[in-house]
Amino acid sequence: EIVLTQSPGTLCLSPGERATLSCRASQSVSSRYLAWYQQKPGQAPRLLIYDASSRATGIPDRFSGSGSVTDFTLTISRLEPEDFAVYYCQQFGSSLTFGGGTKVEIK
Amino acid sequence: QVQLVQSGAEVKKPGASVKVSCKPSGYTFINYYMNWVRQAPGQGLEWMAVIYPPNGGTSYAQKFQGRVTVTRDTSTSTVYMELSSLRSEDTAVYYCARGGTSDWGPSDYWGQGTLVTVSS
Repeated sequence: EIVLTQSPGTLCLSPGERATLSCRASQSVSSRYLAWYQQKPGQAPRLLIYDASSRATGIPDRFSGSGSVTDFTLTISRLEPEDFAVYYCQQFGSSLTFGGGTKVEIK
Repeated sequence: QVQLVQSGAEVKKPGASVKVSCKPSGYTFINYYMNWVRQAPGQGLEWMAVIYPPNGGTSYAQKFQGRVTVTRDTSTSTVYMELSSLRSEDTAVYYCARGGTSDWGPSDYWGQGTLVTVSS
């Protein structure tokens, strides 16, 4: 099983700041099989990024994904109030697993 | 528009089974994989299973092997997830999530979630 380790566990930032979230895989993952999700309290997850760097429909361009092999990054260029949430990475190249999540909270 | 509508909340006793349904609409049901993901209170997302509707082929997370069964009814375009031998640790919100047409992911549409509470 491919284990995805997300860091940091919690990120305390102010609106307008840049957020950089990391997702490290225990084995190589093709970019095609790496996605990022956002989840707010009481809501289902929402797809943000697929293919490691492609934005899903309707996702603002302040969200960007990058990385390859075992190291992937989600960047939010300028945090808006609605971006404070939990973010998960997911791989589905070998079975399917999620990372443990990174909570982005208001400083 | 695409929607995945799940059945309502359930309360079960330890040792019992629960069956959750997921009815997609707004797209051709058999063209997409369907995943089941759960989330225990205050915890992260945990993948459980996937089904390929055209032939009913399934794959299960090792953790749930032998306890989970995912099926589909093509006549009603509904997917079901049954979890047996319930224990308190199975208390969680269970989601169905549409996968891709040729891969298990990514999941661009999710159901609203079904809360399953296991309590004596």
